[in-house]
Amino acid sequence: DARVTQTPRDKVTEMGQEVTMRCQPILGHNTVFWYRQTMMQGLELLAYFRNRAPLDDSGMPKDRFSAEMPDATLATLKIQPSEPRDSAVYFCASGGIPNEQFFGPGTRLTVL
Amino acid sequence: AQSVTQLGSHVSVSEGALVLLRCNYSSSVPPYLFWYVQYPNQGLQLLLKYTSAATLVKGINGFEAEFKKSETSFHLTKPSAHMSDAAEYFCAVSVAGANNLFFGTGTRLTVIP
Repeated sequence: DARVTQTPRDKVTEMGQEVTMRCQPILGHNTVFWYRQTMMQGLELLAYFRNRAPLDDSGMPKDRFSAEMPDATLATLKIQPSEPRDSAVYFCASGGIPNEQFFGPGTRLTVL
Repeated sequence: AQSVTQLGSHVSVSEGALVLLRCNYSSSVPPYLFWYVQYPNQGLQLLLKYTSAATLVKGINGFEAEFKKSETSFHLTKPSAHMSDAAEYFCAVSVAGANNLFFGTGTRLTVIP
């Protein structure tokens, strides 16, 4: 059963610390998305990649957030330095064909 | 550009009653439309999708949705609600060949025993 996996599932950190979230897309999928979900803003698209190249990161605060795909099996989202307003659930999704997105279980981030 | 509007952030129904979750879309080109479900502490899961074939689309767990171009709507229905249907439901829109989906703000469904 192919699934998107995300680690860690929960992360509690203090303001100013670096946070790295990882995503393993479904094998063979060439598109990876990062979303952030909060009660106030709902589901927001942060960035997405196709064939490991960033296609759109306009939803991501550039000063502290960065997203990369070191290889086809790993996508990372990094926040440095983290702030309390970054507290949210971060989802990764992957797709193999246009319009298709399979979501991971999310990383719940709490920044104190 | 595309967008969707979900009417009603919270919907409550009695167990066994009809479920109706509303979604209206805006798109300058023929849309592809999706419904996703999110159970507590989980990611989004695809319920069903419309990609310009049959206008009545059947999905998992007994849900279906009808594409109505004249009303720019894609409402989600289920004839009889089950307790396990309690979740958050998201409508999304895209276009042919695109990777990106534009999500609505979600509707939380509560099922009353």
